[in-house]
Amino acid sequence: DTAVSQTPKYLVTQMGNDKSIKCEQNLGHDTMYWYKQDSKKFLKIMFSYNNKELIINETVPNRFSPKSPDKAHLNLHINSLELGDSAVYFCASSPLAGSTDTQYFGPGTRLTVL
Amino acid sequence: KQEVTQIPAALSVPEGENLVLNCSFTDSAIYNLQWFRQDPGKGLTSLLLIQSSQREQTSGRLNASLDKSSGRSTLYIAASQPGDSATYLCAVTRTTDSWGKLQFGAGTQVVVTP
Repeated sequence: DTAVSQTPKYLVTQMGNDKSIKCEQNLGHDTMYWYKQDSKKFLKIMFSYNNKELIINETVPNRFSPKSPDKAHLNLHINSLELGDSAVYFCASSPLAGSTDTQYFGPGTRLTVL
Repeated sequence: KQEVTQIPAALSVPEGENLVLNCSFTDSAIYNLQWFRQDPGKGLTSLLLIQSSQREQTSGRLNASLDKSSGRSTLYIAASQPGDSATYLCAVTRTTDSWGKLQFGAGTQVVVTP
């Protein structure tokens, strides 16, 4: 009955590889987000999709490409991984973008680039 | 540019004491402010959401106040318990960010000792 789920939970890979992280929400929400939490624990938004359309695109290297096949899924693909990409990536969802509702977070994916 | 600061960065209290966590933000033009709890290896859980027109919100032992004009919010946790040990994050949504973009502080790590 997990509301927001992410796979995988842990990801260890070599520099230069390409990897994907998947996110699914079963809350019926319209909006989904990707956040990155670095080693200093700062959480920063990367992308947001509302009903499969990109609405937030922060200053993120274009090696990161989000894809939303439907409004319940938001995946994150990362090309040519670098050491600095090591972080915990969180997916979140909310009923409506810009609404006064809170966001519901997934458990996170810990990415380690060697 | 919005900056969100949380003080202190870490806090340790004996069980039963009240907890006071502070959050300050530089741009008072906000839609709302939220407090989240993050447990190690897990995602974020929303605790309280205060709309910009409100001055406080309460849920059980938790009370959060908001003073928009001074750019401050305080989270009070009454009669702390060891289960309250976690990192507490505050986040704001600015009125200039119409898509619900959350800007987080770095968090306060709380340890409640039995």
